[in-house]
Amino acid sequence: GDSVTQTEGQVTVSESKSLIINCTYSTTSIAYPNLFWYVRYPGEGLQLLLKVITAGQKGSSRGFEATYNKETTSFHLQKASVQESDSAVYYCALGGSSSSFSKLVFGQGTSLSVVP
Amino acid sequence: EAAVTQSPRNKVAVTGGKVTLSCNQTNNHNNMYWYRQDTGHGLRLIHYSYGAGSTEKGDIPDGYKASRPSQENFSLILELATPSQTSVYFCASGDAPGHLNSDYTFGSGTRLLVI
Repeated sequence: GDSVTQTEGQVTVSESKSLIINCTYSTTSIAYPNLFWYVRYPGEGLQLLLKVITAGQKGSSRGFEATYNKETTSFHLQKASVQESDSAVYYCALGGSSSSFSKLVFGQGTSLSVVP
Repeated sequence: EAAVTQSPRNKVAVTGGKVTLSCNQTNNHNNMYWYRQDTGHGLRLIHYSYGAGSTEKGDIPDGYKASRPSQENFSLILELATPSQTSVYFCASGDAPGHLNSDYTFGSGTRLLVI
């Protein structure tokens, strides 16, 4: 099957410190996996943070970065210096075409709290 | 601008009642999805559709039905709502037009409370 694993359910980081949220994936049906990070800010809907469609490439947005590593099947999210406004729930997702259907599978989510 | 619109934004329902959540997309995507989002579970797929007239079961379909009467519209139906269905529901549309590049758009979510 297809699955995404985020090991941290909740993370608390002090403002201006660095962040890493781990994500690994597994797929048996998607020929060309695309990897995504979505974010949900309090009271808002789900937003695409960044997306990478090619193994070995790095995506970046709003100071966040993630590299698609096919060898380790990982797509960790990193930021060098977090701000309070980054407090949100972050979801790693695996997407792509499985035969004729386009599917999107999510990890469990990581709730980030940035404290002063 | 291409978008996914969900209605209602918030809904309070009584146990045993019928609830219909609606979703409309202007992306011209073939595929549409209903997810529910609960703390600790991420987003879980309830039903999805390949196109007008098709509905398929996702990972957690029990207690839900779906309807796709047109390319643009995809509804989620709770015939007999239960408190365990209290959640936030997200609709999405998606496609993999080149099979190398996937494109998904999400609605803003519907917050459902079943009392």
